[in-house]
Parts: sequence; structure tokens; C-alpha cells
Amino acid sequence: NAGVMQNPRHLVRRRGQEARLRCSPMKGHSHVYWYRQLPEEGLKFMVYLQKENIIDESGMPKERFSAEFPKEGPSILRIQQVVRGDSAAYFCASSPQLQGNEAYGYTFGSGTRLTVV
Amino acid sequence: GQQLNQSPQSMFIQEGEDVSMNCTSSSIFNTWLWYKQDPGEGPVLLIALYKAGELTSNGRLTAQFGITRKDSFLNISASIPSDVGIYFCAGRDSGTYKYIFGTGTRLKVLA
Repeated sequence: NAGVMQNPRHLVRRRGQEARLRCSPMKGHSHVYWYRQLPEEGLKFMVYLQKENIIDESGMPKERFSAEFPKEGPSILRIQQVVRGDSAAYFCASSPQLQGNEAYGYTFGSGTRLTVV
Repeated sequence: GQQLNQSPQSMFIQEGEDVSMNCTSSSIFNTWLWYKQDPGEGPVLLIALYKAGELTSNGRLTAQFGITRKDSFLNISASIPSDVGIYFCAGRDSGTYKYIFGTGTRLKVLA
């Protein structure tokens, strides 16, 4: 998973606190995707971003969750007022700019494991 | 949200055996990917398929893009203990950017 950097690897928050998860895409990649994985489950799409733009946030819960990918710096997934059900592994992936019908696989980071106590 | 169905959900096999798993969708896809996830890590891309009927190998792994474009298959030959992990398929249609992931096949290899 070299290239897509996520931090922290593990994050513990008490109920009601805020969680901030960071993702730096691979060099040359301009598309960032966030996925959530609950224990023993698959990957669920949350949001797709390009620099300074949210392209698709159809998988984001309506409240408490937000994401950004500023012009400078990493992409941030922010969860406000965390609850126990937010405990999961959050993965970031990146891909290069698509040209025409080109297709690229995602490159994933190692994830941030959020535990809400 | 939409998900792909993978089969089997889990399997125990003896070291040295061949393994087959598949992924089916109700939608047509133009790209299929296969990933492996080790415990505590992110998924790692194994094989990418871009054309219906395509058969692609990566070492002991072979994957096929189904003719109907609604399914894909992954085979692992002569399994070894380090093949343990979760295997995910992912599909995407042309004109979209979002990959839909399968439910995963959990592989355990008995030495």
C-alpha cells in the first residue's frame, strides 16, 4: 500500500468527541475515495472527492460526517459527536485523472481504525 | 447501497489445493478488479480486467472477466499459507468513477 498515506492508523475517541482522519493520495493522483469497513463486512463507499470538490457523497451519513480535499494538504474525513456505531476501519483510496475510457484500479491506504468508547 | 455477491463467503482448504471464487452482479460492468486484504491492512490490487472474456494471470492467480459482463472469477493454484486473507471483487461501469465492492471471500489455508 505504499503511496497512499493514512493517519492515524488507530484512533480512540469517547462518545461525543470529534474524529479527524487524514489521507494523502499517491503522487500524481487527483481523485480520492473514502470507504468504511465494519468488522467482518465488505467495503462501503462513502464519498468521492477531487481537489476542492466533492463529486459524490451519496454514501455519507446525512449528519455528523463531512469530507474535504483542499487545494493544499491531505483529504480529511471528519466525524462529529462520534457514537459507538461509528467504530470501523476507514479506508482511503486514490486514482489518477481518468482520460476518456481509461480505467484504473484504486490504490488503498492502510486505513484508520476508529474505536469509540 | 449496491453490492456485488461473492461466493463462497468463506472457505477452508488444504495447502496445495486450488481455489476458485466468483463474483456476480445484476449490472453490467466494464472493469473488474480483484483485491486481497490481509488482517489489519488495506486491500491490495491483485488483478485488473478491462475486457469481456479477458483472462489474466498474476503468478498463481488467474482471473476472468465473464462474457456476460455480469460476473468474474478468481482462481488460485497450489495454495500456500500466505494466501490467507479476504478476497474482494470490485466492478465499475464505463462513464462512472465509483467501484462497487463485493462482500468478500474469506480464505483460510490449513498447512
